[in-house]
Amino acid sequence: DAKTTQPNSMESNEEEPVHLPCNHSTISGTDYIHWYRQLPSQGPEYVIHGLTSNVNNRMASLAIAEDRKSSTLILHRATLRDAAVYYCIRANAGNMLTFGGGTRLMVKP
Amino acid sequence: KAGVTQTPRYLIKTRGQQVTLSCSPISGHRSVSWYQQTPGQGLQFLFEYFSETQRNKGNFPGRFSGRQFSNSRSEMNVSTLELGDSALYLCASSLMGGARGWGYTFGSGTRLTVV
Repeated sequence: DAKTTQPNSMESNEEEPVHLPCNHSTISGTDYIHWYRQLPSQGPEYVIHGLTSNVNNRMASLAIAEDRKSSTLILHRATLRDAAVYYCIRANAGNMLTFGGGTRLMVKP
Repeated sequence: KAGVTQTPRYLIKTRGQQVTLSCSPISGHRSVSWYQQTPGQGLQFLFEYFSETQRNKGNFPGRFSGRQFSNSRSEMNVSTLELGDSALYLCASSLMGGARGWGYTFGSGTRLTVV
């Protein structure tokens, strides 16, 4: 059974970088890797996505391992507003999303 | 622009009843997908509709069904409700389907409680 695994929780200090890991060892060659985050009482919010190469946007960076079996979401400077549950997701060619269990990020002031 | 709208926000139903949830996607988005979120199982894919056709279905029993209308609005129906169907049901819309990179915009969900 294909799985996407993430640590349950991580802690960071405000203004410091955060690296959120994800393991997707059974990913297929056409699956995209997406990251979303969810605040309490809200639906998930898009953060970033990629296929093979590293990606950057205004919110974060996504580093994808060369063998694509793992990826890391990087928040360059964590703020209190970044405290959320972060989901690593495999999206297959048929648009079916497989969610990881999510990592609860706590940011300390 | 308006986001994804899900109605109702909260719902309480009795075991054995049926329920219909509604999702209005972002204007112009043709793909609508549904997800179930529970503390035990996390987020699980239910199904995806594109241009009124179901393109994909997750591993859920036939009691879970859906449809999409010509204006891209979608409904999800659960028949013969069980206690285990209590969950947050999320809808997400996408221009063409998010896997290829257009991304998904999620609604805030419908919280269904079965008693």
